[in-house]
Amino acid sequence: DAKTTQPPSMDCAEGRAANLPCNHSTISGNEYVYWYRQIHSQGPQYIIHGLKNNETNEMASLIITEDRKSSTLILPHATLRDTAVYYCIVRVAGANNAGNMLTFGGGTRLMVKP
Amino acid sequence: EAQVTQNPRYLITVTGKKLTVTCSQNMNHEYMSWYRQDPGLGLRQIYYSMNVEVTDKGDVPEGYKVSRKEKRNFPLILESPSPNQTSLYFCASSLSGGLHNEQFFGPGTRLTVL
Repeated sequence: DAKTTQPPSMDCAEGRAANLPCNHSTISGNEYVYWYRQIHSQGPQYIIHGLKNNETNEMASLIITEDRKSSTLILPHATLRDTAVYYCIVRVAGANNAGNMLTFGGGTRLMVKP
Repeated sequence: EAQVTQNPRYLITVTGKKLTVTCSQNMNHEYMSWYRQDPGLGLRQIYYSMNVEVTDKGDVPEGYKVSRKEKRNFPLILESPSPNQTSLYFCASSLSGGLHNEQFFGPGTRLTVL
């Protein structure tokens, strides 16, 4: 699976959009971009995933650049409860991805401030 | 409420004393998995199960056993715990082992082996 690079930490004002970048310059054509987050001392939580088109769900939007070398997770109106570590994961599509294993790197610690 | 539960949430034990961490899900998921999370090492998969009576090793299986006798339960067994197994453990489940199936994580079990 391709390596990802994320800033270690970011701040965001409550009510504003939080834009979390992820660099995955070695991504290959059959690799998807996934985002999970982990609120302190809780289990990770799935947010969104995409291949090349932008995606939106009730939690967030995912913007993937045309060359797919980077992406941005957008939380449109951050709240204090969005304070968490956000993980960008790139995973290959295929029948046997080690049984759906997730490999988390360091992630970005997002602090939403009042 | 759809959830993954783990017990115990916290455990302090001594080297060599066998222990079991239970995991149960109420979503009729086929796929279940165990991870450990350590500072600087991210989330690493220990074992996974694609269905009842089907288990396989993840990235770091040494020192652990699992069983999947029924769909909802996936206990993690440490026959002879050692201090290097001190960690935060997460159980996860998803509908199947396919790539795009969102994984639901339990609340975590913090284990200390003295």
